[in-house]
Amino acid sequence: AQSVTQLGSHVSVSEGALVLLRCNYSSSVPPYLFWYVQYPNQGLQLLLKYTSAATLVKGINGFEAEFKKSETSFHLTKPSAHMSDAAEYFCAVKKAAGNKLTFGGGTRVLVKP
Amino acid sequence: EPEVTQTPSHQVTQMGQEVILRCVPISNHLYFYWYRQILGQKVEFLVSFYNNEISEKSEIFDDQFSVERPDGSNFTLKIRSTKLEDSAMYFCASSRSERNQPQHFGDGTRLSIL
Repeated sequence: AQSVTQLGSHVSVSEGALVLLRCNYSSSVPPYLFWYVQYPNQGLQLLLKYTSAATLVKGINGFEAEFKKSETSFHLTKPSAHMSDAAEYFCAVKKAAGNKLTFGGGTRVLVKP
Repeated sequence: EPEVTQTPSHQVTQMGQEVILRCVPISNHLYFYWYRQILGQKVEFLVSFYNNEISEKSEIFDDQFSVERPDGSNFTLKIRSTKLEDSAMYFCASSRSERNQPQHFGDGTRLSIL
């Protein structure tokens, strides 16, 4: 069975600092990978996706993620945090064949002024 | 931008009662999904639905659960006899295809079983 691990359930960053959220997956075949963001009282909004094209993927709101097959990782970064980035972030994987998304436990980001 | 809509936003139900959660997927999407998130736990897949039938379901999706697309726009999740442990946030999602297309999520229905 697939699994997704997000290291750190909470991350605190200063405004303007680098945001780095870690995601590792277990899969024998490179899956499709996604990052979603959840703002308070809202649903899951797609930030970006990896679907076997370029390994560096750019998403919305200045976020990007790099797929590293050798490390089975798909870490999310943003060079400069903004107060509006405070939210919970979820990494998710999907097998090439199949429907379901398997989610990590989520990382809640706090941005300090 | 089109979005997935879910109603109600919050549902409070007595244990043992039936509950129906409603979703309107994005209009040109063909695949529909339900997920749930128990407080403090991961988002978990429940079921996917395509061409008027279930295409995949998880172990959680037992005989107490059912899904239906009663008309051209709605997609519903029914829980026949609710239990305390069914309390969770339920998310509906839809996608254009099964393969590499992302799933778009609604804002969720918070189900509280008393």
